[in-house]
Amino acid sequence: AQSVTQPDIHITVSEGASLELRCNYSYGATPYLFWYVQSPGQGLQLLLKYFSGDTLVQGIKGFEAEFKRSQSSFNLRKPSVHWSDAAEYFCAVGGGSTGTASKLTFGTGTRLQVTL
Amino acid sequence: EPEVTQTPSHQVTQMGQEVILRCVPISNHLYFYWYRQILGQKVEFLVSFYNNEISEKSEIFDDQFSVERPDGSNFTLKIRSTKLEDSAMYFCARQQGAVDTQYFGPGTRLTVL
Repeated sequence: AQSVTQPDIHITVSEGASLELRCNYSYGATPYLFWYVQSPGQGLQLLLKYFSGDTLVQGIKGFEAEFKRSQSSFNLRKPSVHWSDAAEYFCAVGGGSTGTASKLTFGTGTRLQVTL
Repeated sequence: EPEVTQTPSHQVTQMGQEVILRCVPISNHLYFYWYRQILGQKVEFLVSFYNNEISEKSEIFDDQFSVERPDGSNFTLKIRSTKLEDSAMYFCARQQGAVDTQYFGPGTRLTVL
């Protein structure tokens, strides 16, 4: 069974500080990994994704994530946080094969608070 | 990012009533999903749909739930007899190819009274 663990429920950082949100996954085959962001009352916006290739992936809004197979991790990072980054961040894992829809399994999310 | 729309944005219903939630399709998307998020909790998979058939459904997706894509138009989720615990945000997601990103709609907030 696939699963995602986001160990940090709530993180507070100062504006301008660096950020790292942790994500560990369990998946039986080659995982496809995603980070989504959700502002209060809003839908899920894709930040970045990893399917294959370069293990360091760049996303929108200055975010990046690194896939580490040996650690089953896909941590999200940003070098300098902006107040507008305050939101809920979800890591998700899925797979994919032709002819079969593949569900995403989400972590419980990390709520990011940014102080000025 | 492909636009994904859902209607209605908010639905209030009485317990025991039927509701239909709609997701507006993009013609070249083949894979469809419904997820739900109970307030303050994580996003949970309900059902996936490919080639006009259910591919997979979760334990949550019991006989009270059904999905269809009538005439290749809207992708719908029906709850036949709503319960209080069905109150949640319901997200539709669409995916163009097998190895591709799932793009989520803005969600429908369902409130069951």
